[in-house]
Amino acid sequence: ETGVTQSPTHLIKTRGQQVTLRCSSQSGHNTVSWYQQALGQGPQFIFQYYREEENGRGNFPPRFSGLQFPNYSSELNVNALELDDSALYLCATSSRGLETQYFGPGTRLLVL
Amino acid sequence: QQQVKQSPQSLIVQKGGIPIINCAYENTAFDYFPWYQQFPGKGPALLIAIRPDVSEKKEGRFTISFNKSAKQFSLHIMDSQPGDSATYFCAASSQTGANNLFFGTGTRLTVIP
Repeated sequence: ETGVTQSPTHLIKTRGQQVTLRCSSQSGHNTVSWYQQALGQGPQFIFQYYREEENGRGNFPPRFSGLQFPNYSSELNVNALELDDSALYLCATSSRGLETQYFGPGTRLLVL
Repeated sequence: QQQVKQSPQSLIVQKGGIPIINCAYENTAFDYFPWYQQFPGKGPALLIAIRPDVSEKKEGRFTISFNKSAKQFSLHIMDSQPGDSATYFCAASSQTGANNLFFGTGTRLTVIP
């Protein structure tokens, strides 16, 4: 088990709503990356935060946004939810300059 | 465009067999190649990783073989056990950028007792 925690574990929303997902870093890790994993697929990179700023972004629209806090924890916000946003959302933490990323258990989001 | 291609999609082996999962990539900037294991309802867990200056790495029953010229790498699981039944993902990243991981599409492994 990694020290990465995520909340909530499951969430059901309706199309058009907004959602906030949370991630707490493993001790000593200052970088947080978020990934979206659709059913039966590999995780897809959404964005990464380091020193409370976005440090890289994948091919996701601006309605996907995030925050990182001074304690390195992070939030993923998704506005105007669409049915295709239904997925497992994973956060992964790492130490800046080191490649190894450790994943949390994920938040399963269902959009109806 | 899939940056890392993985095969096979699924694999069934008998207990004690040696499943092999293959991955290929195009981006020569990739310099870190991890393998993750994922059980249903869980996040991916790092199994083993390799850098391109090494052709093989072993950790316990897991071995990565790496062919830099062919831009391919594979995972071998020695003496496979029913508890190894899971989905396995290869991935790649580059230090130039955010070190974000590009994942393959996954291989669902079933080990029959």
